[in-house]
Order: sequence, then structure tokens, then C-alpha cells
Amino acid sequence: AAGVIQSPRHLIKEKRETATLKCYPIPRHDTVYWYQQGPGQDPQFLISFYEKMQSDKGSIPDRFSAQQFSDYHSELNMSSLELGDSALYFCASSLGQENTEAFFGQGTRLTVV
Amino acid sequence: DAKTTQPNSMESNEEEPVHLPCNHSTISGTDYIHWYRQLPSQGPEYVIHGLTSNVNNRMASLAIAEDRKSSTLILHRATLRDAAVYYCILRDSLTRGGTASKLTFGTGTRLQVTL
Repeated sequence: AAGVIQSPRHLIKEKRETATLKCYPIPRHDTVYWYQQGPGQDPQFLISFYEKMQSDKGSIPDRFSAQQFSDYHSELNMSSLELGDSALYFCASSLGQENTEAFFGQGTRLTVV
Repeated sequence: DAKTTQPNSMESNEEEPVHLPCNHSTISGTDYIHWYRQLPSQGPEYVIHGLTSNVNNRMASLAIAEDRKSSTLILHRATLRDAAVYYCILRDSLTRGGTASKLTFGTGTRLQVTL
């Protein structure tokens, strides 16, 4: 069965550079969630989208932005990268209003040097 | 978001049942109880969820207290592959922005399984 696909799996950037992370949800899923997980920490919610509109917002820095496109894939754009942005970034998808499970991707490991 | 409290870590022997507790005394009537687990270097994985009644699936069972202020995830026969961090999460059934609400991860229970 198709799963949530994230790309790239690994990314190394220098401070002050920009990065774009991509998330392809499970087919027919219309909701995407983004999470950040620092080393030794629990996943922290960043932002979510439903039907291409932002549905909820968490502790996402102003330097980050995200959107969901017409094909439901989502991109997380990160600018002016800082060392502290080094983390695993997970994307999850689910079916709209259903309070069922969310399916997570394998994550993108971002390292800022 | 209503909070949950879980033990930081637990140990189990392989092939034995494991009971992972979770306290959620401030749970609201519209909160579902979700459990996810995260294996090393992987994304979180759904385990089970319920509202009031006990639930069973192929992975685990969820026992919910009558007052809903606590719940227990039961792994019937732990294997080495069950070693993970287990998160108990309250998820509001009321939609937000037209979709199901986010999952808020707290500090889960790190389960160690030994031979």
C-alpha cells in the first residue's frame, strides 16, 4: 500500500541558507500535518492543511512557511536556517474530518552546519 | 490541549504481556484517546484509538477506565520489534479548520523488551 512519501530523506544546509521539504500524502488523503523532532525530543506540531487551506498552526517560526498544492502534496519552506533547525521533520496525512489514524512519513533529516 | 501523563520507561520480557498506563484526568467529552508508537529512526506509527469502550485490533488492546481519566495500552505478547516510545494522545473529535485536529505528542513511555 502507498505510504506518505517525504523528500529528500536527508538534507545538509549551511546557516542562513534556505531549504524546501516535500510531502506526498497517501492518495485520497486531503489533510497534511508537519512536525519537527529535535534530537532526543518528542515530535512538535508545526502546521497543518486541509483542502489546500491552513487548518491549524503550532510553534512554527516566522522563517518557515508551508502550503498545500492542488494535488494535495505539501511543501515546507525554511529560510535563514539556524543551527537549531537541525531536526527530523515528519509529515503525516489523514482523511479530512475523520478522527482516524494519521499516517506518518519516514521523515527528512535536516542538518544545518 | 488536555494533557496526558505516562511513565518515562518500562521494561518487559519477550513473549510476555505489557500494560502501558496513561493518565488523562482533564480529558473532555469530545476527546478520543489515541496511541502511537515511534520506533528508532522512524516516523510515529498509529497503534489504536478509542472513545469510551475498550478496543481491540491486530496490534494491541486499549482498556479505558469508566470515568475515562485513564487508559491502558495492552500488548499481548511483546516482541523485540515492539521496543519503541509509546505516546498516549488526546485528540479532540471536534474538527478544526474543517479537518480532524492535530496530534499533540507529550513525553511518551520508552518500552524496552529483553530476551
